[in-house]
Amino acid sequence: EVQLVQSGAEVKKPGESLRISCKASGYSFTDYWIGWVRQMPGKGLDWMGSIYPGDSDTKYSPSFQGQVTISVDKSSNTAHLQWRSLKASDTALYYCARSGSGYNYPSAEWGQGTQVTVSS
Amino acid sequence: ETVMTQSPATLSVSPGDTVTLSCRASQSVSSNLAWYQQKPGQPPRLLIYGASIGATGYPTRFSGSESGTDFTLTISSLQSEDSAVYYCQQYNDWPPTFGQGTRVEIK
Repeated sequence: EVQLVQSGAEVKKPGESLRISCKASGYSFTDYWIGWVRQMPGKGLDWMGSIYPGDSDTKYSPSFQGQVTISVDKSSNTAHLQWRSLKASDTALYYCARSGSGYNYPSAEWGQGTQVTVSS
Repeated sequence: ETVMTQSPATLSVSPGDTVTLSCRASQSVSSNLAWYQQKPGQPPRLLIYGASIGATGYPTRFSGSESGTDFTLTISSLQSEDSAVYYCQQYNDWPPTFGQGTRVEIK
């Protein structure tokens, strides 16, 4: 069974750094793209970027380019989403989602979400 | 970036009704269109991909169709458990983009 298990909720102050994680199991981690999706409070879904664990090829949506960093640790089958300096506007629920062997596939498997709250 | 526009924003329907949700792409996305269902406190669930192909385990009362850049999700014999927000997503171009969602409320 494919599973994506995300790290727990975070409460941070503006300017702090943060890395959240998504641990994959039940499939060959290096063969499928994993993406990150933001859902701001009461709002819709925004695709932030995707990474191919096989070679760490990474694509970012223009709105998120330079704002976050997506990485993987193949030794632990884990994808990460990282901020260097959080803003209050980063407060949102973040999902990881598995795509296909290409980044242009739909996502049938999703993590449970990680709530990030940024407040002074 | 391809803009996806969904309508209506909200639907209030009765159990047993047949409902139609619409999604329009700002440019051709071929048939690379998915529909997701999201209930409160849950991640999105893939219902339809390829515009009309049911995802594994999806309820067969959900069906998808396309006409050019217009896409439709039809829910037949609506059940109370279908109360949710439904999103369309194009995955033809980078970045993948979602519509703003249609909320289906059960009367």
